[in-house]
Amino acid sequence: EAGVAQSPRYKIIEKRQSVAFWCNPISGHATLYWYQQILGQGPKLLIQFQNNGVVDDSQLPKDRFSAERLKGVDSTLKIQPAKLEDSAVYLCASSLRTGEETQYFGPGTRLLVL
Amino acid sequence: QKEVEQDPGPLSVPEGAIVSLNCTYSNSAFQYFMWYRQYSRKGPELLMYTYSSGNKEDGRFTAQVDKSSKYISLFIRDSQPSDSATYLCAKGTLLGANNLFFGTGTRLTVIP
Repeated sequence: EAGVAQSPRYKIIEKRQSVAFWCNPISGHATLYWYQQILGQGPKLLIQFQNNGVVDDSQLPKDRFSAERLKGVDSTLKIQPAKLEDSAVYLCASSLRTGEETQYFGPGTRLLVL
Repeated sequence: QKEVEQDPGPLSVPEGAIVSLNCTYSNSAFQYFMWYRQYSRKGPELLMYTYSSGNKEDGRFTAQVDKSSKYISLFIRDSQPSDSATYLCAKGTLLGANNLFFGTGTRLTVIP
């Protein structure tokens, strides 16, 4: 079974630039999560999708972050414009359904904002 | 108050030692608890999860939950250099959205 795929693996941008991350969940997984993991901290949930609908985006900084999962499969997370404090690893995870306790994580995209 | 508090370490032990990793949590309703292992530059991978107080064992790993004191622990017996990683405790809620709240992680190094 293929795992959660993410790209790119690394990205370096200057502040005020835009960046986008892509995630392809495990086949058949209805629920998709985006987490932000700042160095030395645990992952923090940004947004959760059930199929193509948003379940929870309460911790997503909506003035600069956006995410979509138009066809209920892969997803993109965008930051526009980026700030220095956005430097982090962005992790995508998926689970069979909301309420399923096992979330499978991708390798993450490491973002550095200069 | 954070949902989950975890001692960040780092923790270094000799090979073969018993490792104890600990977290405390707030809010008690309909919770379940998980331990994830994260190797450097990798995503977290689930080690164990448990719903109830008491111990749950899986090979060299034992997860322990004490709901009366809101304390969760992970014990690793006969630790190996391959166990060197960051260990994250997490708390989830059985009702509604499956949001996980993670601790900061404890970085463990097992010295050969």
